[in-house]
Amino acid sequence: GAGVSQSPSNKVTEKGKDVELRCDPISGHTALYWYRQSLGQGLEFLIYFQGNSAPDKSGLPSDRFSAERTGGSVSTLTIQRTQQEDSAVYLCASSGPAGASTDTQYFGPGTRLTVL
Amino acid sequence: GESVGLHLPTLSVQEGDNSIINCAYSNSASDYFIWYKQESGKGPQFIIDIRSNMDKRQGQRVTVLLNKTVKHLSLQIAATQPGDSAVYFCAITSGAGSYQLTFGKGTKLSVIP
Repeated sequence: GAGVSQSPSNKVTEKGKDVELRCDPISGHTALYWYRQSLGQGLEFLIYFQGNSAPDKSGLPSDRFSAERTGGSVSTLTIQRTQQEDSAVYLCASSGPAGASTDTQYFGPGTRLTVL
Repeated sequence: GESVGLHLPTLSVQEGDNSIINCAYSNSASDYFIWYKQESGKGPQFIIDIRSNMDKRQGQRVTVLLNKTVKHLSLQIAATQPGDSAVYFCAITSGAGSYQLTFGKGTKLSVIP
């Protein structure tokens, strides 16, 4: 079956513009995660969705970042008024269907965001 | 807060030798530990995991060891192959059923043919 897919694979934008990054999780997975990976660094947790529960937004670095998950499937991460420090690879992962904390998280290929 | 660290940022091994990648963590409440492999331009790929009620788990050519006393996790790769060249990350949960993973900064493994 298909894995996690993300689009676009690369995004170059100018400082101050808004960007939207998309994630299609594995079908049937109830949990969806967004992470950010800066050059040569580990992954930084951003936000987590589980079913119909309120998302855990504790990792979002500023109010310029927001995410939605429509219909319990596709998710969009939006960054408003992008800054150069937002340049990173944004990774999406999904897990489930058990909804347990020990469900393996499967990652997509990521979106490389470059803010000029 | 918790932190996850790695003892070595880079590791070079001869093809066919065994590799050991280490990870230290600070949160004693962590109950789930995972190793991921990330090749250039790709997302992290799950390798193996272990729960806190175990101290060893084996997969195909890989073994994860967990020492909760000293808060240390290791990944052993047997008969390392060129295809094993990648960055390896350990990741841990915060415990108490937390879904949030904290990742280490990664160890780059280079296999010398």
